[in-house]
Amino acid sequence: EPEVTQTPSHQVTQMGQEVILRCVPISNHLYFYWYRQILGQKVEFLVSFYNNEISEKSEIFDDQFSVERPDGSNFTLKIRSTKLEDSAMYFCATGLAGVTDTQYFGPGTRLTVL
Amino acid sequence: RKEVEQDPGPFNVPEGATVAFNCTYSNSASQSFFWYRQDCRKEPKLLMSVYSSGNEDGRFTAQLNRASQYISLLIRDSKLSDSATYLCVVLWGATNKLIFGTGTLLAVQP
Repeated sequence: EPEVTQTPSHQVTQMGQEVILRCVPISNHLYFYWYRQILGQKVEFLVSFYNNEISEKSEIFDDQFSVERPDGSNFTLKIRSTKLEDSAMYFCATGLAGVTDTQYFGPGTRLTVL
Repeated sequence: RKEVEQDPGPFNVPEGATVAFNCTYSNSASQSFFWYRQDCRKEPKLLMSVYSSGNEDGRFTAQLNRASQYISLLIRDSKLSDSATYLCVVLWGATNKLIFGTGTLLAVQP
């Protein structure tokens, strides 16, 4: 069964450093999402991406965050200058199409900002 | 009112028990509803979609009441392997983002 993959599985960084989290979507999927989950809290929507542009972003997704699909396969989330409060699990999700389509989640990247 | 609201639990039940989880949502325009399962420090995994007519998948039954904006999940004959956090999830808006509840923790005891 096709899977969403994410790298790295765990990233430790110093406050103020840039990090790039990578996702490889399921090959024929068209809709891409990033979610995050702070330890002990609920999963929160960050951004949706379709047709090579952001379709919606949450209040969390400020100017420090960006997404792109640089080579038509990988889907990346960049945090320019990390803060302590960015420490969380970051999940990539992808979907084929349509309102009722299932979103498939990758295994996540655990980001720890020191 | 919270966008998606669930009882956080924990629900501690013996093997073989029947357990029910409830969820309410605030956006009456929402069209799609799901139950996801999340094991500790893992990604959410789709358990089942929830349809207006109700649907069943083995030991799991999901119900939707649009008038009350209420979703439920019933698990019959609980197994140890059912221990996890159950997430009520609503599809929201034109971009199909998922809005998650805080989850209900289920612990099935031997």
